[in-house]
Amino acid sequence: GAVVSQHPSRVICKSGTSVKIECRSLDFQATTMFWYRQFPKKSLMLMATSNEGSKATYEQGVEKDKFLINHASLTLSTLTVTSAHPEDSSFYICSAVLTSGNQPQHFGDGTRLSIL
Amino acid sequence: AQKVTQAQTEISVVEKEDVTLDCVYETRDTTYYLFWYKQPPSGELVFLIRRNSFDEQNEISGRYSWNFQKSTSSFNFTITASQVVDSAVYFCALSEAPGDDKIIFGKGTRLHILP
Repeated sequence: GAVVSQHPSRVICKSGTSVKIECRSLDFQATTMFWYRQFPKKSLMLMATSNEGSKATYEQGVEKDKFLINHASLTLSTLTVTSAHPEDSSFYICSAVLTSGNQPQHFGDGTRLSIL
Repeated sequence: AQKVTQAQTEISVVEKEDVTLDCVYETRDTTYYLFWYKQPPSGELVFLIRRNSFDEQNEISGRYSWNFQKSTSSFNFTITASQVVDSAVYFCALSEAPGDDKIIFGKGTRLHILP
């Protein structure tokens, strides 16, 4: 079945650091990828929709300059948390959908980000 | 606006008991898709089922079954003969499209299966 790989699975870094998270579709092409954020014991909230070759569409309340999204190819989208602060600590999870067809989104395993 | 409500925040049952997780949704769309995902302690999201709004047939997959009722805007999930490995957070979700649109998640139900 379709596989989405997310890397790294866990990051611990100091405040002020920028952190890049990669989301790859391993065996299919994904025109669209999604980035979600999940606070501890909370639901998943969509942050942005990433379309290959164009600017990402951010949900209301999500700072686009804080969370930079790049979808440079049909198999890779990256989320960069710039100048991260402790309040950015969270579980970030991406999903990808096959370019054509009627397939559901496939989710990566998530990245647990901890900012000290 | 779309909304998914999972009223049960946390449920604990003894192994081998049956358990039903409730999900109520709101949408103005006539075409929509409903999902259930499982999130074990390791964090990944496991896709369980997708159902479109035109298919009200109940579905059974092994010990799992789903009851979709448009009249009450509910899409409930039942685990029969629960096992410890079923312990996880379960999310009900809603989307306007089968895959290429944002998914609105409920707040999740944390299920504890006690040995």
